[in-house]
Amino acid sequence: AQSVAQPEDQVNVAEGNPLTVKCTYSVSGNPYLFWYVQYPNRGLQFLLKYITGDNLVKGSYGFEAEFNKSQTSFHLKKPSALVSDSALYFCAVRDAPYGGATNKLIFGTGTLLAVQP
Amino acid sequence: DARVTQTPRHKVTEMGQEVTMRCQPILGHNTVFWYRQTMMQGLELLAYFRNRAPLDDSGMPKDRFSAEMPDATLATLKIQPSEPRDSAVYFCASGLASGGVNEQYFGPGTRLTVT
Repeated sequence: AQSVAQPEDQVNVAEGNPLTVKCTYSVSGNPYLFWYVQYPNRGLQFLLKYITGDNLVKGSYGFEAEFNKSQTSFHLKKPSALVSDSALYFCAVRDAPYGGATNKLIFGTGTLLAVQP
Repeated sequence: DARVTQTPRHKVTEMGQEVTMRCQPILGHNTVFWYRQTMMQGLELLAYFRNRAPLDDSGMPKDRFSAEMPDATLATLKIQPSEPRDSAVYFCASGLASGGVNEQYFGPGTRLTVT
């Protein structure tokens, strides 16, 4: 079964420092991976996705993610954190039960990013 | 700027009452998803529609929950009767299933409180 894991409940980083939010995945077949962000009292917003091709994917708000097949990871990164980046971040993988593809996403438990001024 | 809309944004009701939540997907999208978010359980998928047909509602308590798409511009999630444990934020999301792997777009959510 497809799954993603976000090993950190919370990540703290100082403004201006680089940030990394970790995600590992377990899939049968090709992984289709996503990152979403949720600001307080809002719905989830799509940041970026990896389907195929370049392992470094660029997304919204200066975020990028690095796909690493050997480590089965898809970590979210940003070179310089802003206080406004403070939010809940979700990693997700497309569900593919029994090898078939669906449009469903399986979400991780979320990582709260806190950027201190 | 196309968005998923949900109504109501907030709902407070008493146990035993019927609750109906509505969602208008982005025009042209052909998949609709209902999620429930709580602190304890995180984000749970309740139901999934494609071209208005229900494909998966395995995450939904069927004795009290029902989800429908009367037309392509409206999805509804109904709880009857409601219970305090149904208190949560309910999100609708829509997407375009076109052979590619496409992202979902979420609405702002309905915050439900059942007393």
